[in-house]
Amino acid sequence: EAQVTQNPRYLITVTGKKLTVTCSQNMNHEYMSWYRQDPGLGLRQIYYSMNVEVTDKGDVPEGYKVSRKEKRNFPLILESPSPNQTSLYFCASSPPGQAYEQYFGPGTRLTVT
Amino acid sequence: SQQGEEDPQALSIQEGENATMNCSYKTSINNLQWYRQNSGRGLVHLILIRSNEREKHSGRLRVTLDTSKKSSSLLITASRAADTASYFCATESNTGNQFYFGTGTSLTVIP
Repeated sequence: EAQVTQNPRYLITVTGKKLTVTCSQNMNHEYMSWYRQDPGLGLRQIYYSMNVEVTDKGDVPEGYKVSRKEKRNFPLILESPSPNQTSLYFCASSPPGQAYEQYFGPGTRLTVT
Repeated sequence: SQQGEEDPQALSIQEGENATMNCSYKTSINNLQWYRQNSGRGLVHLILIRSNEREKHSGRLRVTLDTSKKSSSLLITASRAADTASYFCATESNTGNQFYFGTGTSLTVIP
């Protein structure tokens, strides 16, 4: 089954404790992206990757890091989480180029206390 | 920010009625997509309309695009309780790298 998986699905952590949210897709998509969703703000793009070893900032990259060492994986790293990073995070993938739909993961709900 | 906006923010209708939601965006686009999100879950793609198209249909969905007004509308006909969800429009940058989602319309269909 074609899918995007994220782990963990739920995470409660404390300020400053480094964490990684994993994302994996089995559709051989070149393009992958991370979004955060906050009430009233919709989805905002954090980082995206056009292919292995190619990553770039989206609209809200501050406080996040990503890496793309393999085509299928695109982890999101919070080196020193802060309470304003409490949010619902989504990973998505799609084929390269324009006019392709994105396939979304189930989401990771992160709470930073 | 290049984020778009949906209108209304929330919509409540009876089953069988039509639901219309609107999206406004800020920059020139190559295409516009609509997504659906059930509460707290991942988004699911519904339909894509290209900038040179004015209207597109898919089942009970009808999408229109007016590039001169930088706006789009999504019409769901003969709504069902299962259509209850949030609906988002999304545009992509001219390079196809970045995506900008609207703030969403929360639709409730009452059985």
